[in-house]
Amino acid sequence: EAQVTQNPRYLITVTGKKLTVTCSQNMNHEYMSWYRQDPGLGLRQIYYSMNVEVTDKGDVPEGYKVSRKEKRNFPLILESPSPNQTSLYFCASSLRAGDRTGELFFGEGSRLTVL
Amino acid sequence: EDQVTQSPEALRLQEGESSSLNCSYTVSGLRGLFWYRQDPGKGPEFLFTLYSAGEEKEKERLKATLTKKESFLHITAPKPEDSATYLCAVQAIDNFNKFYFGSGTKLNVKP
Repeated sequence: EAQVTQNPRYLITVTGKKLTVTCSQNMNHEYMSWYRQDPGLGLRQIYYSMNVEVTDKGDVPEGYKVSRKEKRNFPLILESPSPNQTSLYFCASSLRAGDRTGELFFGEGSRLTVL
Repeated sequence: EDQVTQSPEALRLQEGESSSLNCSYTVSGLRGLFWYRQDPGKGPEFLFTLYSAGEEKEKERLKATLTKKESFLHITAPKPEDSATYLCAVQAIDNFNKFYFGSGTKLNVKP
């Protein structure tokens, strides 16, 4: 089954404790992206990757890091989480960078709480 | 600045009561406008892509239309299973790796 898998789905952590949210897709997609979703603000893009070893900042990259060492994986790293990073996070992928269909495939989401 | 505004924030309909959701956008040059559906506890699911003013797309009870400044998602004779949050997003010509999403319209269809 074609899917985007995120882990963990739920996480409660404390300020400053490094964490990684993993994202894996099995569709051989080139493009992957991370979003955060907050009430009233919609989905905001954190980082995106056009292909292996090629990443760029979205609109809200502060406090986050990413890497794309393999085509299928695109982990989101919070080096020193703070309470304002409490949010619902989504990973998404599409066939290629700049795919004009706009068809993004989303994971189920990871709800992160930073105390 | 590229941005997307959706209205209303929430909409409650009776089963069979048709209505429309609005998506207004400001973008330097539109490459595409997209509609997604999001069910509670799930990731968004792709519905439509519209590329140019005057274009229309249909899927079951949903019909999306596009003008130069806004898009409408028309819902004809909705059923309870149409209840979800509907998200609109745009992709700009000058950076098509970025997608700008609105905050969504939460639709509740009562039987």
